[in-house]
Amino acid sequence: DTTVKQNPRYKLARVGKPVNLICSQTMNHDTMYWYQKKPNQAPKLLLFYYDKILNREADTFEKFQSSRPNNSFCSLYIGSAGLEYSAMYLCASSRGQGATGQLYFGEGSKLTVL
Amino acid sequence: QQKVQQSPESLTVSEGAMASLNCTFSDGTSNNFRWYRQHSAKGLEVLVSIFSDGEKEEGRFTAHLNRANLHVSLHIREPQPSDSAVYLCAPSLDSGGSNAKLTFGKGTKLSVKS
Repeated sequence: DTTVKQNPRYKLARVGKPVNLICSQTMNHDTMYWYQKKPNQAPKLLLFYYDKILNREADTFEKFQSSRPNNSFCSLYIGSAGLEYSAMYLCASSRGQGATGQLYFGEGSKLTVL
Repeated sequence: QQKVQQSPESLTVSEGAMASLNCTFSDGTSNNFRWYRQHSAKGLEVLVSIFSDGEKEEGRFTAHLNRANLHVSLHIREPQPSDSAVYLCAPSLDSGGSNAKLTFGKGTKLSVKS
């Protein structure tokens, strides 16, 4: 099973409210990623976990939190949603820690902030 | 930082006609290239992975890589309406480290008309 599952698929949030997105995979992959995708823009890497080590991109460091309680699960947390957070959030996983491994993507969580 | 440009931004082809998509990248040391596609409101799926100059075929999808020209293309043979999606180019460098920064282009939106 090469499925990466994301929940919820659609999320409506109010400005200033928290948002928690969940991702799971059963492929025993070392690395799990979160990307943000807006229309007509390239997917933007927000952060990734290699095993238990969290790496966050410098320009999104303070905007997104994440946890990985075990190998299979990874969450993305927004403490206070702003309008600019409206986007599709894509979770992916891969074997190994490099960018060269094939990434398996979930179907995405579409966040709309009002 | 890797810069990825895809062209055209959008492409409409008739069912059965060849579709050709282009991608140029800035980092000549890149050694891994993948084409992904994203159907509307869905996650990304990998189509073709290519690691050396030349051609790589996966079913109806063929990637051509010319690293000297910083160019990788995707050709879709006998496209079908179900191939209508956004196609994303993702070059990367396997440096053996923990760099998981997969850089995507903005994508080419392909529409296949029956």
